[in-house]
Amino acid sequence: AQSVTQLDSHVSVSEGTPVLLRCNYSSSYSPSLFWYVQHPNKGLQLLLKYTSAATLVKGINGFEAEFKKSETSFHLTKPSAHMSDAAEYFCVVNGKGKLVFGAGTILRVKS
Amino acid sequence: SQTIHQWPATLVQPVGSPLSLECTVEGTSNPNLYWYRQAAGRGLQLLFYSVGIGQISSEVPQNLSASRPQDRQFILSSKKLLLSDSGFYLCAWSFIRTSGSSYEQYFGPGTRLTVT
Repeated sequence: AQSVTQLDSHVSVSEGTPVLLRCNYSSSYSPSLFWYVQHPNKGLQLLLKYTSAATLVKGINGFEAEFKKSETSFHLTKPSAHMSDAAEYFCVVNGKGKLVFGAGTILRVKS
Repeated sequence: SQTIHQWPATLVQPVGSPLSLECTVEGTSNPNLYWYRQAAGRGLQLLFYSVGIGQISSEVPQNLSASRPQDRQFILSSKKLLLSDSGFYLCAWSFIRTSGSSYEQYFGPGTRLTVT
């Protein structure tokens, strides 16, 4: 069965410093992987997706993620955090036609 | 481009009252449709999904039901709400899966339901 593990429930960074949100996946076949962001009381917005093309995926708002098959990881990064990045982030894998969500990582950005 | 709407945005209902939440999608035909619930500290739980009019699959037994009376309309209902039905309800859509499709889903703005 497909699953994802988000290694940190909370991450705190200072504005202007790099962001790293970690995600490991488990899949019995070549997966599609996604990162979504959710601001408080809002719906989920797709940040980026990996679908077996380039292993380094660029998304919206300066985020990117790298698919590493040998490490079964799909970590999300951003070179410089902005206050508006404060939100909850979900790593997601496709599983038999449905999406399997990680537990989420809450990103706090300090001024 | 495609747009997904949900209403109402917030709802406060007493225990035992009925529920109807509506979701509509614009700009695409024959989408797959989904209802999720997000309870505090419990992540996203898939409740129902639909691959066509009148075709509903339930993921977990519960006090809720779903219907798809039209191609781009998805309704979540309950005859009698329980306290445990409180949460943030999200509707989502995706393209029909074909060979090579990537399965991403697009989410609506959500409905905050509080059962008192």
